[in-house]
Amino acid sequence: ELKVEQNPLFLSMQEGKNYTIYCNYSTTSDRLYWYRQDPGKSLESLFVLLSNGAVKQEGRLMASLDTKARLSTLHITAAVHDLSATYFCAVTGGATNKLIFGTGTLLAVQP
Amino acid sequence: DTEVTQTPKHLVMGMTNKKSLKCEQHMGHRAMYWYKQKAKKPPELMFVYSYEKLSINESVPSRFSPECPNSSLLNLHLHALQPEDSALYLCASSQLAGGLFAKNIQYFGAGTRLSVL
Repeated sequence: ELKVEQNPLFLSMQEGKNYTIYCNYSTTSDRLYWYRQDPGKSLESLFVLLSNGAVKQEGRLMASLDTKARLSTLHITAAVHDLSATYFCAVTGGATNKLIFGTGTLLAVQP
Repeated sequence: DTEVTQTPKHLVMGMTNKKSLKCEQHMGHRAMYWYKQKAKKPPELMFVYSYEKLSINESVPSRFSPECPNSSLLNLHLHALQPEDSALYLCASSQLAGGLFAKNIQYFGAGTRLSVL
């Protein structure tokens, strides 16, 4: 059974600091996704990573994928308050497009 | 345009009511999904439709009945729900492209917040 774990579950950080969210998954997967969810809102697609060594960057967020370690990271550079949200990683399971989500990381950026 | 539209935004229903949630997309996506999300938890897949046919049912109780009338529309019919079914119900759609470089990103609607009294 494909399982996805994220850590930390909760991250409180100061503006201007850097930090990394980790996403581990248990079996081989074709694609890894990162989503953002604001409180009470829907999920916004941030990145999709397709191959080993893939790196994607958008603004202060950078995602990477190591398929051999079954690990993806979401790195936050010089955090700002607007980045406060819950971040989910997700992988597709098997031959379907079924998404298995990680536990989520609640990010709170303090001024 | 990557918009998935869900109606209603909020729904309150009693345990004996029958109601329906609606989802619409015009991106030409051939896969549509229903997810259930409880507070502070990740979304959990309920159903997947591929090319208007039900392809995955994650052992969802029969009080939830999905329907895909055409490639743009997805409904979720609700009947005799329980208070524990209160949650945010999210619809999503995606392409179903094959191959190593197919992204198949799932785009989510804003959700229907359901309260069962």
